[in-house]
Amino acid sequence: SAVISQKPSRDICQRGTSLTIQCQVDSQVTMMFWYRQQPGQSLTLIATANQGSEATYESGFVIDKFPISRPNLTFSTLTVSNMSPEDSSIYLCSVFTGEDQPQHFGDGTRLSIL
Amino acid sequence: GQNIDQPTEMTATEGAIVQINCTYQTSGFNGLFWYQQHAGEAPTFLSYNVLDGLEEKGRFSSFLSRSKGYSYLLLKELQMKDSASYLCAVRDEGANNLFFGTGTRLTVIP
Repeated sequence: SAVISQKPSRDICQRGTSLTIQCQVDSQVTMMFWYRQQPGQSLTLIATANQGSEATYESGFVIDKFPISRPNLTFSTLTVSNMSPEDSSIYLCSVFTGEDQPQHFGDGTRLSIL
Repeated sequence: GQNIDQPTEMTATEGAIVQINCTYQTSGFNGLFWYQQHAGEAPTFLSYNVLDGLEEKGRFSSFLSRSKGYSYLLLKELQMKDSASYLCAVRDEGANNLFFGTGTRLTVIP
Protein backbone atom coordinates (compact mmCIF):
# COMPACT_ATOMS: atom_id res chain seq x y z
CA SER A 1 0.00 0.00 0.00
CA ALA A 2 1.06 3.61 -0.57
CA VAL A 3 2.88 5.39 2.21
CA ILE A 4 1.45 8.84 2.81
CA SER A 5 3.40 11.54 4.61
CA GLN A 6 1.55 14.60 5.78
CA LYS A 7 2.99 17.72 7.38
CA PRO A 8 2.78 19.55 9.58
CA SER A 9 1.35 17.01 12.00
CA ARG A 10 -0.14 19.77 14.09
CA ASP A 11 -0.18 23.54 14.35
CA ILE A 12 -1.69 26.32 16.39
CA CYS A 13 -2.53 29.37 14.32
CA GLN A 14 -3.85 32.84 14.79
CA ARG A 15 -7.22 33.91 13.50
CA GLY A 16 -7.04 35.41 10.01
CA THR A 17 -3.86 33.64 8.96
CA SER A 18 -3.43 30.84 6.42
CA LEU A 19 -1.71 27.48 6.65
CA THR A 20 -0.60 25.13 3.88
CA ILE A 21 -0.65 21.38 4.54
CA GLN A 22 1.49 19.09 2.43
CA CYS A 23 0.79 15.50 1.39
CA GLN A 24 3.53 13.37 -0.15
CA VAL A 25 2.99 9.82 -1.43
CA ASP A 26 5.80 7.36 -2.06
CA SER A 27 4.34 6.24 -5.42
CA GLN A 28 2.33 7.76 -8.22
CA VAL A 29 -1.39 7.66 -7.53
CA THR A 30 -4.29 8.49 -9.77
CA MET A 31 -6.42 10.30 -7.23
CA MET A 32 -5.79 12.25 -4.05
CA PHE A 33 -8.42 13.54 -1.67
CA TRP A 34 -8.59 15.98 1.22
CA TYR A 35 -10.92 15.34 4.16
CA ARG A 36 -11.79 17.31 7.26
CA GLN A 37 -12.70 15.82 10.62
CA GLN A 38 -14.16 18.32 13.06
CA PRO A 39 -14.00 17.52 16.78
CA GLY A 40 -16.18 14.55 17.64
CA GLN A 41 -17.34 14.18 14.05
CA SER A 42 -16.71 11.79 11.20
CA LEU A 43 -14.79 12.59 8.04
CA THR A 44 -16.12 14.97 5.41
CA LEU A 45 -14.68 15.19 1.93
CA ILE A 46 -13.42 18.65 1.08
CA ALA A 47 -12.24 18.08 -2.48
CA THR A 48 -10.56 15.80 -4.98
CA ALA A 49 -7.13 17.06 -5.96
CA ASN A 50 -6.74 16.73 -9.73
CA GLN A 51 -3.32 16.63 -11.32
CA GLY A 52 -2.95 19.40 -13.86
CA SER A 53 -6.37 20.94 -13.33
CA GLU A 54 -8.48 22.65 -10.69
CA ALA A 55 -9.63 20.60 -7.73
CA THR A 56 -13.20 19.33 -7.56
CA TYR A 57 -14.89 20.69 -4.44
CA GLU A 58 -17.76 19.20 -2.50
CA SER A 59 -20.80 21.20 -1.55
CA GLY A 60 -19.99 23.67 1.19
CA PHE A 61 -16.31 24.00 0.32
CA VAL A 62 -14.91 26.66 -2.00
CA ILE A 63 -11.59 27.27 -3.66
CA ASP A 64 -11.06 30.67 -2.08
CA LYS A 65 -11.18 29.16 1.39
CA PHE A 66 -9.42 25.85 0.63
CA PRO A 67 -7.11 26.29 -2.37
CA ILE A 68 -5.55 23.00 -3.45
CA SER A 69 -2.57 22.28 -5.63
CA ARG A 70 -1.49 19.03 -7.24
CA PRO A 71 1.59 19.62 -9.36
CA ASN A 72 2.33 15.93 -9.95
CA LEU A 73 1.09 12.42 -9.20
CA THR A 74 2.79 12.15 -5.81
CA PHE A 75 2.20 15.49 -4.12
CA SER A 76 -0.63 17.81 -3.13
CA THR A 77 -1.19 20.76 -0.84
CA LEU A 78 -4.26 22.08 0.92
CA THR A 79 -4.32 25.65 2.19
CA VAL A 80 -6.75 26.72 4.88
CA SER A 81 -7.18 30.44 4.29
CA ASN A 82 -8.24 33.27 6.58
CA MET A 83 -8.68 30.85 9.45
CA SER A 84 -11.28 31.15 12.16
CA PRO A 85 -11.86 28.97 15.25
CA GLU A 86 -14.45 26.99 13.27
CA ASP A 87 -11.61 25.69 11.09
CA SER A 88 -10.10 23.86 14.05
CA SER A 89 -10.13 20.27 12.79
CA ILE A 90 -8.03 17.39 11.67
CA TYR A 91 -7.25 17.59 7.96
CA LEU A 92 -6.49 14.29 6.26
CA CYS A 93 -5.00 13.41 2.91
CA SER A 94 -6.08 10.16 1.25
CA VAL A 95 -5.20 8.38 -1.98
CA PHE A 96 -6.95 6.05 -4.41
CA THR A 97 -4.63 3.47 -5.93
CA GLY A 98 -7.01 1.14 -7.76
CA GLU A 99 -10.43 -0.44 -7.90
CA ASP A 100 -9.63 -3.33 -5.58
CA GLN A 101 -7.55 -1.27 -3.18
CA PRO A 102 -8.69 0.52 -0.05
CA GLN A 103 -8.12 4.19 0.43
CA HIS A 104 -5.38 4.88 2.90
CA PHE A 105 -4.93 8.02 4.94
CA GLY A 106 -2.06 10.14 6.03
CA ASP A 107 -1.60 10.70 9.74
CA GLY A 108 -3.49 13.96 9.55
CA THR A 109 -2.81 17.56 10.50
CA ARG A 110 -4.33 18.72 13.78
CA LEU A 111 -5.10 22.37 13.41
CA SER A 112 -6.16 24.67 16.23
CA ILE A 113 -7.06 28.31 15.65
CA LEU A 114 -6.94 30.77 18.51
CA GLY B 1 -27.22 12.56 -2.06
CA GLN B 2 -25.45 10.32 0.38
CA ASN B 3 -26.92 9.01 3.62
CA ILE B 4 -24.96 6.58 5.77
CA ASP B 5 -26.22 5.59 9.21
CA GLN B 6 -24.47 3.87 12.09
CA PRO B 7 -25.21 3.68 15.81
CA THR B 8 -23.41 6.42 17.66
CA GLU B 9 -22.12 4.37 20.56
CA MET B 10 -21.87 0.74 21.63
CA THR B 11 -20.47 -1.02 24.65
CA ALA B 12 -19.35 -4.64 24.77
CA THR B 13 -17.47 -6.93 27.12
CA GLU B 14 -13.93 -8.14 26.66
CA GLY B 15 -13.90 -11.55 24.97
CA ALA B 16 -17.39 -11.13 23.53
CA ILE B 17 -18.60 -10.58 19.96
CA VAL B 18 -20.03 -7.28 18.75
CA GLN B 19 -21.79 -6.40 15.51
CA ILE B 20 -21.78 -2.83 14.23
CA ASN B 21 -24.42 -2.12 11.61
CA CYS B 22 -24.32 0.36 8.76
CA THR B 23 -27.12 1.24 6.37
CA TYR B 24 -26.63 3.41 3.36
CA GLN B 25 -28.51 5.21 0.62
CA THR B 26 -26.15 6.60 -1.97
CA SER B 27 -26.45 7.81 -5.52
CA GLY B 28 -23.65 5.49 -6.64
CA PHE B 29 -21.85 2.50 -5.14
CA ASN B 30 -18.40 1.16 -5.74
CA GLY B 31 -17.61 -0.63 -2.52
CA LEU B 32 -18.05 -0.30 1.21
CA PHE B 33 -15.18 0.16 3.63
CA TRP B 34 -14.74 -0.16 7.36
CA TYR B 35 -12.10 1.82 9.17
CA GLN B 36 -10.94 1.86 12.76
CA GLN B 37 -9.94 5.14 14.34
CA HIS B 38 -8.39 5.49 17.77
CA ALA B 39 -8.70 8.84 19.46
CA GLY B 40 -6.22 11.34 18.06
CA GLU B 41 -5.12 9.07 15.24
CA ALA B 42 -5.90 8.73 11.54
CA PRO B 43 -8.33 6.04 10.34
CA THR B 44 -6.83 2.67 9.53
CA PHE B 45 -8.34 0.31 6.98
CA LEU B 46 -10.08 -2.81 8.29
CA SER B 47 -12.12 -4.34 5.48
CA TYR B 48 -13.65 -3.82 2.07
CA ASN B 49 -16.74 -5.33 0.44
CA VAL B 50 -17.83 -4.77 -3.12
CA LEU B 51 -19.83 -7.97 -3.65
CA ASP B 52 -22.56 -9.39 -1.44
CA GLY B 53 -21.46 -11.71 1.30
CA LEU B 54 -19.03 -12.07 4.13
CA GLU B 55 -15.36 -11.12 4.13
CA GLU B 56 -13.34 -12.54 6.99
CA LYS B 57 -10.01 -11.24 8.18
CA GLY B 58 -8.87 -12.67 11.47
CA ARG B 59 -11.02 -11.39 14.33
CA PHE B 60 -12.82 -9.00 12.00
CA SER B 61 -15.50 -9.86 9.44
CA SER B 62 -17.62 -7.62 7.29
CA PHE B 63 -20.86 -8.39 5.50
CA LEU B 64 -22.56 -6.61 2.64
CA SER B 65 -26.03 -6.77 1.10
CA ARG B 66 -26.22 -4.33 -1.78
CA SER B 67 -29.92 -4.91 -2.39
CA LYS B 68 -30.67 -3.92 1.20
CA GLY B 69 -28.09 -1.15 1.44
CA TYR B 70 -26.75 -2.82 4.54
CA SER B 71 -23.42 -3.84 5.99
CA TYR B 72 -22.10 -4.94 9.32
CA LEU B 73 -18.71 -5.26 10.94
CA LEU B 74 -18.29 -8.19 13.30
CA LEU B 75 -15.57 -8.15 15.91
CA LYS B 76 -14.84 -11.39 17.72
CA GLU B 77 -12.89 -12.10 20.90
CA LEU B 78 -12.98 -8.46 21.83
CA GLN B 79 -9.89 -6.95 23.38
CA MET B 80 -9.54 -3.75 25.34
CA LYS B 81 -7.50 -2.27 22.49
CA ASP B 82 -10.56 -2.60 20.24
CA SER B 83 -12.06 0.41 22.00
CA ALA B 84 -12.16 2.91 19.15
CA SER B 85 -14.45 4.51 16.61
CA TYR B 86 -15.49 2.39 13.66
CA LEU B 87 -16.29 4.22 10.48
CA CYS B 88 -18.44 2.89 7.65
CA ALA B 89 -17.69 4.49 4.28
CA VAL B 90 -19.16 4.06 0.82
CA ARG B 91 -17.04 4.68 -2.25
CA ASP B 92 -18.75 6.70 -4.91
CA GLU B 93 -18.99 5.20 -8.36
CA GLY B 94 -16.80 7.03 -10.84
CA ALA B 95 -15.45 9.68 -8.52
CA ASN B 96 -13.89 7.06 -6.23
CA ASN B 97 -14.04 9.27 -3.16
CA LEU B 98 -15.45 8.02 0.16
CA PHE B 99 -18.52 9.17 2.02
CA PHE B 100 -18.41 8.39 5.70
CA GLY B 101 -21.05 7.59 8.26
CA THR B 102 -20.97 9.32 11.61
CA GLY B 103 -18.91 6.52 13.12
CA THR B 104 -19.65 4.18 16.01
CA ARG B 105 -17.69 4.65 19.20
CA LEU B 106 -17.12 1.22 20.72
CA THR B 107 -16.14 0.87 24.35
CA VAL B 108 -14.86 -2.50 25.49
CA ILE B 109 -15.25 -3.12 29.20
CA PRO B 110 -13.58 -5.79 31.34
